[in-house]
Amino acid sequence: AQSVTQPDIHITVSEGASLELRCNYSYGATPYLFWYVQSPGQGLQLLLKYFSGDTLVQGIKGFEAEFKRSQSSFNLRKPSVHWSDAAEYFCAVGATGANNLFFGTGTRLTVIP
Amino acid sequence: GAGVSQTPSNKVTEKGKYVELRCDPISGHTALYWYRQSLGQGPEFLIYFQGTGAADDSGLPNDRFFAVRPEGSVSTLKIQRTERGDSAVYLCASSLTGGSGYNEQFFGPGTRLTVL
Repeated sequence: AQSVTQPDIHITVSEGASLELRCNYSYGATPYLFWYVQSPGQGLQLLLKYFSGDTLVQGIKGFEAEFKRSQSSFNLRKPSVHWSDAAEYFCAVGATGANNLFFGTGTRLTVIP
Repeated sequence: GAGVSQTPSNKVTEKGKYVELRCDPISGHTALYWYRQSLGQGPEFLIYFQGTGAADDSGLPNDRFFAVRPEGSVSTLKIQRTERGDSAVYLCASSLTGGSGYNEQFFGPGTRLTVL
């Protein structure tokens, strides 16, 4: 069965600093990996996704993520955080033949001036 | 274009009552999903529709939960005899096609259900 672990419940970074949010997954085959962002009162918005090919994927809002099969990880990064990036971030995994996504418990990002 | 919409945005009900939550997916999307997000948790899958039929309802927690999509577009999630533990945000998502883990799902803003 698929599962996703986001070990950091809450992260605080200064505006302009770099960011890395961790995600580890469990799945027997090559997974489909996603990062979503959820702002208060808003739906989940897709930041980026990995299906195959280049293991470094670029997303919207300046985010990128790297798939590392050997570490079963799909960490999200941003070189310089903006105050508007404060939100909840969810990593999710999909699988071939599966009808739904499996989500991690999320990481809440706080950005301080 | 219009995204996924959900109504109501908030619903407060009393224990034991019946509630209906509505989802209007993106036009043309054949696949529709319901998820439940409890406080401090990620969304958890409830049910998946491909067209009018419930292709996978393995995530429904018990028989108090039921969902329909009679015309293959709008869906209604129905909860009977609500319990306090049903309090959560109920999310709806749609995708162009379904049945595979790589279909991008577009999420609505959710309905926050509070059972007193």
